[in-house]
Amino acid sequence: DIQMTQSPSSLSASVGDRVTISCRASQTISDYLNWYQQQPGKAPKLLIYGASSLQSGVPSRFSGSGSGTDFTLTISSLQPEDFATYSCQQTYSTPLTFGGGTKVEFK
Amino acid sequence: QVHLQESGPGLVKPSETLSLSCTVSGGSISSQYWSWIRQSPGKGLEWIGYMYYSGNSDYNPSLRSRVTISVDMSKSQFSLKLTSVTTADTAVYYCARGGPGPADFWGQGTMVTVSS
Repeated sequence: DIQMTQSPSSLSASVGDRVTISCRASQTISDYLNWYQQQPGKAPKLLIYGASSLQSGVPSRFSGSGSGTDFTLTISSLQPEDFATYSCQQTYSTPLTFGGGTKVEFK
Repeated sequence: QVHLQESGPGLVKPSETLSLSCTVSGGSISSQYWSWIRQSPGKGLEWIGYMYYSGNSDYNPSLRSRVTISVDMSKSQFSLKLTSVTTADTAVYYCARGGPGPADFWGQGTMVTVSS
């Protein structure tokens, strides 16, 4: 199985901050990397697919980058509705696997 | 807009079979992949498996011996059966559109507790 490791597991930030979340795969996955946002008690929401493609309807302050084993999700200017947990997922090979999540909290 | 809704018992006894359905509306169930994903309390997301509308499927090896996903096109539904459940199967279960690729539409999730 491909292991997905996210860092940090949590972070504190303020509205307007630039936030960066990392995701590392245990082996190369090309660009088969997706990012999800999950609010408490809600289903995950697809933000980024193919490492860097923005899902329809997702604000442009979200961006993704990386290829191979190292990937990054960036929120350019954190908004109040962005306080949530973010998870990466590899779809390079089955079993599909997710990272452990990064919780973005209010500072 | 595609909408997915899970349904099924919220409580299952140990050793019994967990059965959930997902009703798809606002879009066709054909020509798509459909997935089940779960999240144990306080934990990360775990992929259970997916099925193509025509019947091809793939399951997480950790659950493969106990899982079946099926599609009923006439009802625009797909279903999950997980046999011989234990307390470790207690989780929120999500249905989603997508399979080998990203999951772009999700149901709201349904909590299933395994307890006697």
